[in-house]
Amino acid sequence: DAKTTQPPSMDCAEGRAANLPCNHSTISGNEYVYWYRQIHSQGPQYIIHGLKNNETNEMASLIITEDRKSSTLILPHATLRDTAVYYCIVTIQAGTALIFGKGTTLSVSS
Amino acid sequence: NAGVTQTPKFQVLKTGQSMTLQCAQDMNHNSMYWYRQDPGMGLRLIYYSASEGTTDKGEVPNGYNVSRLNKREFSLRLESAAPSQTSVYFCASSGGVWETQYFGPGTRLLVL
Repeated sequence: DAKTTQPPSMDCAEGRAANLPCNHSTISGNEYVYWYRQIHSQGPQYIIHGLKNNETNEMASLIITEDRKSSTLILPHATLRDTAVYYCIVTIQAGTALIFGKGTTLSVSS
Repeated sequence: NAGVTQTPKFQVLKTGQSMTLQCAQDMNHNSMYWYRQDPGMGLRLIYYSASEGTTDKGEVPNGYNVSRLNKREFSLRLESAAPSQTSVYFCASSGGVWETQYFGPGTRLLVL
């Protein structure tokens, strides 16, 4: 699986959009980009995934660059409950082992 | 629909003791997984089961055994606990078209 690089931490004001970047310059053509988050002491929670097109669901939007070497997870209106560690994971198929790095700690404040 | 459940939530063991961590899912998923998470680190795969009756080693299998009892249940056993096994253990299952993984709430294990 390709390696990902994320900033260790980010801050965001409540109500503003949170944009979390992820670099995956060695991604292969058949690898997906998955995002999970882990709220303190809880199990990781699936957010969204994509291959090459931008994706949106009720939780977030995923923007993948045309060359697929980087992506951005967007939480459009961050709330205090969005404070968590966010993991960007690249994998051929989520049914195999997910390789979690250290992720980005997002702190949302009022 | 409870999703993935794990028992116990918290356990303290002495070095050398044994115990089994239980995991069950009610989503009719074929695949199940056991991960561990050490402080400040990401999750690492211990064992996984692609289907009932099959198990495979992950990144850190030493000191653990698993049993896929049936489609719903996947247990993790520590035969002789060591302080290095102090960690938070997460069970997950996956299914559906995208095989998205869903995680349980975790078991916090302290080995003294």
